Amino acid sequence: AAGVIQSPRHLIKEKRETATLKCYPIPRHDTVYWYQQGPGQDPQFLISFYEKMQSDKGSIPDRFSAQQFSDYHSELNMSSLELGDSALYFCASSEDRGPPSSFGPGTRLTVL
Amino acid sequence: AQKVTQAQTEISVVEKEDVTLDCVYETRDTTYYLFWYKQPPSGELVFLIRRNSFDEQNEISGRYSWNFQKSTSSFNFTITASQVVDSAVYFCALSEALRGGATNKLIFGTGTLLAVQP
Repeated sequence: AAGVIQSPRHLIKEKRETATLKCYPIPRHDTVYWYQQGPGQDPQFLISFYEKMQSDKGSIPDRFSAQQFSDYHSELNMSSLELGDSALYFCASSEDRGPPSSFGPGTRLTVL
Repeated sequence: AQKVTQAQTEISVVEKEDVTLDCVYETRDTTYYLFWYKQPPSGELVFLIRRNSFDEQNEISGRYSWNFQKSTSSFNFTITASQVVDSAVYFCALSEALRGGATNKLIFGTGTLLAVQP
């Protein structure tokens, strides 16, 4: 069965640079969730989308923005990167705003 | 507000021992979902189980079993005859029912690191 796809899997950036993370949900899923997991931490909810509209917002910095496109894929844009943004970023999807069961493999972002 | 507590930060067992990972949750809702995920050293989040609040039946899947007790707001996870490959961080998570236009985001516990020694 198709799973959630995230790209890139690894990303290395310098401080103050910009990064874009992509998430491709499971086919027919209309809801996307983004989570950030720092080293040794639990995943923290950032933001979610339902039918291309932002639905919920968690602890997402103002330097980050995200959107969901007409094909339901989502992108997380991160600007003015800081060392503390180094983390695993997970995307998950579901149908009709339901809770996500399956997460993507994650993007490991390292900010130097 | 919803909250998930995993009081055990680290557990170390020897292979073939049984081990139980505790999870206690708080929610004001009567309808909610509970999850367990495994995160091996490679980093991915592996879905193990999802239960809804109306289904208190315990579940067994191979060496894994889950005990859901609404009376004590607990959803504990037991691994029988543990193996080295079970070494990972295990997260318990809670999702409340939809409210307005909200999505069913997950709130995670802080995780329990399980180390299974050969």
